[in-house]
Amino acid sequence: SQQGEEDPQALSIQEGENATMNCSYKTSINNLQWYRQNSGRGLVHLILIRSNEREKHSGRLRVTLDTSKKSSSLLITASRAADTASYFCATVFYSTLTFGKGTMLLVSP
Amino acid sequence: NAGVTQTPKFQVLKTGQSMTLQCAQDMNHNSMYWYRQDPGMGLRLIYYSASEGTTDKGEVPNGYNVSRLNKREFSLRLESAAPSQTSVYFCASSFHRDRGWKPQHFGDGTRLSIL
Repeated sequence: SQQGEEDPQALSIQEGENATMNCSYKTSINNLQWYRQNSGRGLVHLILIRSNEREKHSGRLRVTLDTSKKSSSLLITASRAADTASYFCATVFYSTLTFGKGTMLLVSP
Repeated sequence: NAGVTQTPKFQVLKTGQSMTLQCAQDMNHNSMYWYRQDPGMGLRLIYYSASEGTTDKGEVPNGYNVSRLNKREFSLRLESAAPSQTSVYFCASSFHRDRGWKPQHFGDGTRLSIL
């Protein structure tokens, strides 16, 4: 399976700190996406990085992709309590999109 | 702008009962999807519809049927519910035939319990 696996499974930090989540996968990809899920809600797309890109930014989010190591990281800078959520990576290979199991992030005030 | 709307939000069924989960999107997307989310399992694709008039099986289609009623609506039917189908069901839509090339937009889910 090319399913991405997030690490850590859970992360607890204080407001203002940075949060880093990692995603590893096993096979080739065309792109990799990160989604956020607030408790009781659906997933919300955060950012998409293509296989020929190494880094991408969106506001306080920074995503890196290392295809040689088959891994990606999501960095949230200056975390806020509102960032508390589960974060999922999704790997894409042609028409197949596969979600990982997620990282639960808790940001305490 | 409603985005993706799922009904009902909650449902309790008895084993063997049938029901249909409804999904509608107002973003003029051509592709729609049904996922289930179970603790520790991430999201798993049940069925998808790349465009109006087509449907295809995903990773876990057994026990489910779907209907792409029109471009806006995509329903999921459980013909004879089983306890193993207790889950949270999400509908999503996107603007591309190849389901990984554009972001997917999700509804808020239907929480289904089967006793």
